[in-house]
Amino acid sequence: ETGVTQSPTHLIKTRGQQVTLRCSSQSGHNTVSWYQQALGQGPQFIFQYYREEENGRGNFPPRFSGLQFPNYSSELNVNALELDDSALYLCASSRRTSGRGNEQFFGPGTRLTVL
Amino acid sequence: DAKTTQPNSMESNEEEPVHLPCNHSTISGTDYIHWYRQLPSQGPEYVIHGLTSNVNNRMASLAIAEDRKSSTLILHRATLRDAAVYYCILRPLGRAGGTSYGKLTFGQGTILTVHP
Repeated sequence: ETGVTQSPTHLIKTRGQQVTLRCSSQSGHNTVSWYQQALGQGPQFIFQYYREEENGRGNFPPRFSGLQFPNYSSELNVNALELDDSALYLCASSRRTSGRGNEQFFGPGTRLTVL
Repeated sequence: DAKTTQPNSMESNEEEPVHLPCNHSTISGTDYIHWYRQLPSQGPEYVIHGLTSNVNNRMASLAIAEDRKSSTLILHRATLRDAAVYYCILRPLGRAGGTSYGKLTFGQGTILTVHP
C-alpha cells in the first residue's frame, strides 16, 4: 500500500499568480483534507472533499478551491496569490466510516513561496 | 472546537521515558483524544487515540485522566527519531458524512528534543 504523495515538493510563484498543488491519496481512501502550515505554526484546516464534493471548509477565502477525482487524486488551487500564502501545504487522506476518529494519513507537503 | 493546552517544549535523554501532558478541560463526552507528531520536514503522523480508557500501541501509550480533562502521551524509551512536534487534538465523534469529519484542529504542539 503506497502512502500519500504530493507534487511538486517546492514551488515559487509571484504575487497575483495562480497555483495548483496535487495530492495522490491512498487507495480506498474516500476523504481528502487540505491544510496550510505557516512557519512555526500548527497546520490549519482549509477544506475537505468527500466523494468528489467539498464537504467542510475552514476559515479560508473562496480563492482557495479544490477538486477530488475518482482515482483518489486531488488538487488544491489558489488564485490571486498573496505573500501570506507562503506556507507548507499538506494533504491528508482517510477512509471515512461512521463515527469515531479514523487516523488521517498525511503527505510530505508542498512548500509554496510567494514573492 | 474544544481547546487543548500543551507545554511549548520538553527535553528528554535517549532511552528514557517521556511523558507529554495535554490539558483539555472543556472536552465533551463525544470528543476523542488524538495525538499526532510531525518530524522535521515531514507531514504529521498519527500516533494514537483514545476515548476513555488508556490505550497502547507499538509507538506509544495514552493515559487518560478519569475525568478526561487531561491526558498524557507516554513514549516508553525515547530515541533520537522521536524528536518532533507532538500535537494533542480533540476530535468529535461525527457522522460519516459530516462536514467536520476530515478536520483536525492543531494547536502549537510540544517540541520534543531528545539528547543522545
